[in-house]
Amino acid sequence: ILNVEQSPQSLHVQEGDSTNFTCSFPSSNFYALHWYRWETAKSPEALFVMTLNGDEKKKGRISATLNTKEGYSYLYIKGSQPEDSATYLCAFIGNYGQNFVFGPGTRLSVLP
Amino acid sequence: DTEVTQTPKHLVMGMTNKKSLKCEQHMGHRAMYWYKQKAKKPPELMFVYSYEKLSINESVPSRFSPECPNSSLLNLHLHALQPEDSALYLCASSQGQPTTNEKLFFGSGTQLSVL
Repeated sequence: ILNVEQSPQSLHVQEGDSTNFTCSFPSSNFYALHWYRWETAKSPEALFVMTLNGDEKKKGRISATLNTKEGYSYLYIKGSQPEDSATYLCAFIGNYGQNFVFGPGTRLSVLP
Repeated sequence: DTEVTQTPKHLVMGMTNKKSLKCEQHMGHRAMYWYKQKAKKPPELMFVYSYEKLSINESVPSRFSPECPNSSLLNLHLHALQPEDSALYLCASSQGQPTTNEKLFFGSGTQLSVL
């Protein structure tokens, strides 16, 4: 059974704070890692697709890094805003057909 | 049009009912997915269709029956469900086949309650 973990489970930050959270996945048979943002009552929305060790991706105030050798990815949010409040999910794709195994998510609340 | 549309948004059914969930996309995507998500758990993959053929069935009970009538539509037929099948059912699509680095586009889900 593939194990994809995320920490912390939930996070409360003040508006303007920067924050980061972690996705851990098996370091063998890695193919790709996805990050999704899921706001309440909306559809999950893709943030990043990462494939190469050392990859760094950025979208506005949100960025992500990838370490496939040790099996983790960090998601960073700079200057959090209330609209960043959502659940952030990572999904692991392995070489042998393990398709989009999601982690349990990190629930972020940004307080004004 | 970058939307994946799911209907209905909410469904309540009895254990003897037969119902269907529908999913539609017009982005020309060739892979479509059904996920099941229980509260406070991650989405779990149920089925994947690639080029209108069922390519992945994650050992889902036969009371769930997927159907892909064409490249834009994906249905999930429900029959004799159990209360533990109550969950949010998400549909997604991607440009290419599964196990590529294509991102998923999700619908907003059908919240299913089985009484």
